Amino acid sequence: NAGVTQTPKFQVLKTGQSMTLQCAQDMNHEYMSWYRQDPGMGLRLIHYSVGAGITDQGEVPNGYNVSRSTTEDFPLRLLSAAPSQTSVYFCASGGLAGGLYNEQFFGPGTRLTVL
Amino acid sequence: AQSVSQHNHHVILSEAASLELGCNYSYGGTVNLFWYVQYPGQHLQLLLKYFSGDPLVKGIKGFEAEFIKSKFSFNLRKPSVQWSDTAEYFCALEGSARQLTFGSGTQLTVLP
Repeated sequence: NAGVTQTPKFQVLKTGQSMTLQCAQDMNHEYMSWYRQDPGMGLRLIHYSVGAGITDQGEVPNGYNVSRSTTEDFPLRLLSAAPSQTSVYFCASGGLAGGLYNEQFFGPGTRLTVL
Repeated sequence: AQSVSQHNHHVILSEAASLELGCNYSYGGTVNLFWYVQYPGQHLQLLLKYFSGDPLVKGIKGFEAEFIKSKFSFNLRKPSVQWSDTAEYFCALEGSARQLTFGSGTQLTVLP
């Protein structure tokens, strides 16, 4: 099992550029989510999905789009990058038995800088 | 709305000292509570979780946490810390709508 994988590990964008952060999991988890981590603010939920074809907004969704066409993949799209989106992005997945999940597994993160 | 507060931003201890990290939450209903740890350069890992039952939960690496409903608290404890416990610790809450809310984190530095 590779667990949760994220690509790329590092990315530098210019303001206004668009890009997609990739996330994949091989644990057959229903629940997948994207967080951003900023100093002093912990992790904040951007978007999440409880299964293929189902997505919903988290705490800070503006400027980001997601889709879930398969159980395995949950890409995060930045439509027009802004310096405020400079952050470390984590993808996570978990099973949905007995509530939200028994445990969320996090990917290694993508460090994004927007100039 | 649900929120999590971690008031200790940075804690510095010597090896073998006891640890207690504070976590308070705000939510009016039933909660699931978690502590995650992020070692330097690594991604988050689950330390322990509370869903229901015994309010004292034990996790990996000798950590434990106590859920005190009347105080809306879920403090993390360890009787004797090691240098390898140096990391950032996050308390998290699942309240409604399958959303996980994290606290701002506590950086623990253990001096050898």
